[in-house]
Amino acid sequence: GDSVTQMEGPVTLSEEAFLTINCTYTATGYPSLFWYVQYPGEGLQLLLKATKADDKGSNKGFEATYRKETTSFHLEKGSVQVSDSAVYFCALSLTQGGSEKLVFGKGTKLTVNP
Amino acid sequence: NAGVTQTPKFQVLKTGQSMTLQCAQDMNHEYMSWYRQDPGMGLRLIHYSVGAGITDQGEVPNGYNVSRSTTEDFPLRLLSAAPSQTSVYFCASSPREGLYEQYFGPGTRLTVT
Repeated sequence: GDSVTQMEGPVTLSEEAFLTINCTYTATGYPSLFWYVQYPGEGLQLLLKATKADDKGSNKGFEATYRKETTSFHLEKGSVQVSDSAVYFCALSLTQGGSEKLVFGKGTKLTVNP
Repeated sequence: NAGVTQTPKFQVLKTGQSMTLQCAQDMNHEYMSWYRQDPGMGLRLIHYSVGAGITDQGEVPNGYNVSRSTTEDFPLRLLSAAPSQTSVYFCASSPREGLYEQYFGPGTRLTVT
């Protein structure tokens, strides 16, 4: 079935370090892909999205490119800040039984130290 | 504009008790859903609704009921709580045209003893 696999955490970085969080997917057809972020004690927020192959989503310095050939949607940021400490979820869209739903990865916890 | 609100924030139940988790949104969104979040499991869809009067099951519906009598409200009912239902519950909504851009509530942390 359709699924999302993202790198296990936790990930700990120093401020201004480069961040990559890997995400690969399995899907029939051509899903849309998303990154959501969950700050401590809060619900999830959409960070960025890409709806077709080779699209690049970007927001708040984060980027991810929809790579159909490698079925990947890795999240990157050139210089992380302490305020980026959160849990990051990769997700894909899924049509099931005529309805559209999101399938989430298990999440990767990022801690950025000053 | 309050967005998606959930009550209560925390709840402790004994096994066998019932309760309703409340969810409301003031953005006139058609699509609403309930997820549970467990360590190492990510988010799993419990139930969802594509509009008032229409609900359907997600990945893990057993032990939960929902109804959608208005566009704004989407309560989740636990009929007979079990320790396996200890989790953090999130309600989300999205406009039909932006179905996958879901707006999440702050969550309800439920413990069943």
